[in-house]
Amino acid sequence: AQKITQTQPGMFVQEKEAVTLDCTYDTSDPSYGLFWYKQPSSGEMIFLIYQGSYDQQNATEGRYSLNFQKARKSANLVISASQLGDSAMYFCAMREGVNTGGFKTIFGAGTRLFVKA
Amino acid sequence: ETGVTQTPRHLVMGMTNKKSLKCEQHLGHNAMYWYKQSAKKPLELMFVYSLEERVENNSVPSRFSPECPNSSHLFLHLHTLQPEDSALYLCASSQEAGYYGYTFGSGTRLTVV
Repeated sequence: AQKITQTQPGMFVQEKEAVTLDCTYDTSDPSYGLFWYKQPSSGEMIFLIYQGSYDQQNATEGRYSLNFQKARKSANLVISASQLGDSAMYFCAMREGVNTGGFKTIFGAGTRLFVKA
Repeated sequence: ETGVTQTPRHLVMGMTNKKSLKCEQHLGHNAMYWYKQSAKKPLELMFVYSLEERVENNSVPSRFSPECPNSSHLFLHLHTLQPEDSALYLCASSQEAGYYGYTFGSGTRLTVV
């Protein structure tokens, strides 16, 4: 069975500092994708970054990077140079059968990030 | 503008009412999804449509009825709901291939009274 675990209900970070949001996953499928989404208070879910299970390098998108440790089944999101606008809920997600048209993406419980001025 | 538009943004309905949620995308995506987001619970996948065909029904009660008339539109028909169905209902779309992230709509905040 699929499982996504985010153990940090809330995190605080000082503006301009880096922060790591934890995510561990469990799957027996060798082909999967890992995603991070941001949900501001407005409610809209925003796709941030993607990591494929066969990707050799960690994904990066601007200030976002994904620390992918396959053996440990972890996919932590690193946000560098935090900004006040980064305050939001962050969800880790996983999709199995990525290369065979898998449709089902499951989400973790989320981490609320607070950026302090 | 996210590319995925959901209407209405807010809906209050009685338990005996019938209403529909609408989702529209013009991104050329082949797959569309309904998710339910309740307080203090992870997002729950409800339905998945690929090329207008339902490919996933995640044990959702029959009082929720999806409809996908074409690849750009997705509806969620609601009837005889319960107060515990109050939640944020999110629509999303994606390319069929699994390595694309979803584009979500802003959601419909549903309150059942």
